[in-house]
Parts: sequence; C-alpha cells; structure tokens
Amino acid sequence: GQNIDQPTEMTATEGAIVQINCTYQTSGFNGLFWYQQHAGEAPTFLSYNVLDGLEEKGRFSSFLSRSKGYSYLLLKELQMKDSASYLCAAMDSNYQLIWGAGTKLIIKP
Amino acid sequence: IAGITQAPTSQILAAGRRMTLRCTQDMRHNAMYWYRQDLGLGLRLIHYSNTAGTTGKGEVPDGYSVSRANTDDFPLTLASAVPSQTSVYFCASSPLAGGGTGELFFGEGSRLTVL
Repeated sequence: GQNIDQPTEMTATEGAIVQINCTYQTSGFNGLFWYQQHAGEAPTFLSYNVLDGLEEKGRFSSFLSRSKGYSYLLLKELQMKDSASYLCAAMDSNYQLIWGAGTKLIIKP
Repeated sequence: IAGITQAPTSQILAAGRRMTLRCTQDMRHNAMYWYRQDLGLGLRLIHYSNTAGTTGKGEVPDGYSVSRANTDDFPLTLASAVPSQTSVYFCASSPLAGGGTGELFFGEGSRLTVL
C-alpha cells in the first residue's frame, strides 16, 4: 500500500533549528511536497523536491533521498509564527498526492 | 484578489439532507480537487477534475458527487448526509493536471457538521 509517515508533534524553541522527517512508500514517485497549515486555515505550499538533494528557500530547506524514501523539512531561526502543522505529501505514478497526517510544530519562547 | 472561494465556510446539517459545497476559482487552473481533512488523518481526496467536462474518483468518493461544467466551478454534493461526513472540506486547484510542480492552491475550507 501507499503511506506517508511523519511525527505527530514536535516542540522547539524560538530561534533554534528543527528538522521534521517524512518517510514515504508510493507506487511510483513524481515528487515530494511540503505544505504549512496554521490552525483553522488552509494548507499553503512550501517546497517541492523531485531530485535527490537539498533545496533551500530562505529559512526553510527541504531534502530528498529517493533511494531511502525519505525527506525532511528544516526550519532555521524559528519564529513564533512558525507554529503550525507541516504536511508531507508524495506524488505517485498517477500524479495523485498521498498525504501524511501532518506534524504539529509547537514553538516555545 | 485571485484565488479559490468556498461556500459556506461552516454548516450544521441534519442527517439525510442534501448539501452542496461550492468552489470557484479565478486562476484559470485546469485541475481541481476536493479533499476532506479529519483529525489524525492526512488529507483524503474525494473527487478530482483534470479539466472542464471530466471528473474522477479519489480515495473516498462514496456518498459524494461532483460536476465540472466549466473551468471555474467545481461543486461537491452530498446526496444524503451522514454523521461520518462531518469534516473540514478543502477545495484546491492546480495549473497542471499532473506533472510539473503540481503545487496546489487551497480554498479556506468548509466545516461541515452532520447531526
């Protein structure tokens, strides 16, 4: 079957760095996405990886290893506004997204 | 402001009633999607449309129907609501039907409670 695994909840301190891991199993693979979702709001796109390696975008970076079925989202210089859920999603061979349940990130002062 | 508009934002519905959730986008995106989001579960695809005039079933289509008469509108209908359909429903669109970055643009969601 197809599935995505990511931690349910993580806690980090303002100004610190946090890494949110995601492992995936899909029928075929056409890319790995990360979305941010604040409580009560819609998900918003953060990053897309289809090749192995690290993609950096400001304070956020995303890494992909296709051979390991593994990705992580790295958030640097954490701010209180980064408190949100982070959703990992893999695109399968039919170009459909398989979503993880999300990681709730709690930032403490 | 360009984007996706969903209506209603919130609704309480008696079981057995018919309900249509509306979704309109003004970005001229080809692909549109309906997801439901439940606590502890990932977003689950209900139905999708790769282009106007075509629709397809997602992971959890039972009890739901959709239509795509034009590019902009993609309504979701619950023919006879049941309590297990209590959820937050998100409509989304993408410029490409598969391929590319596949970035999805989401509406603000419709919170539906079926009693």
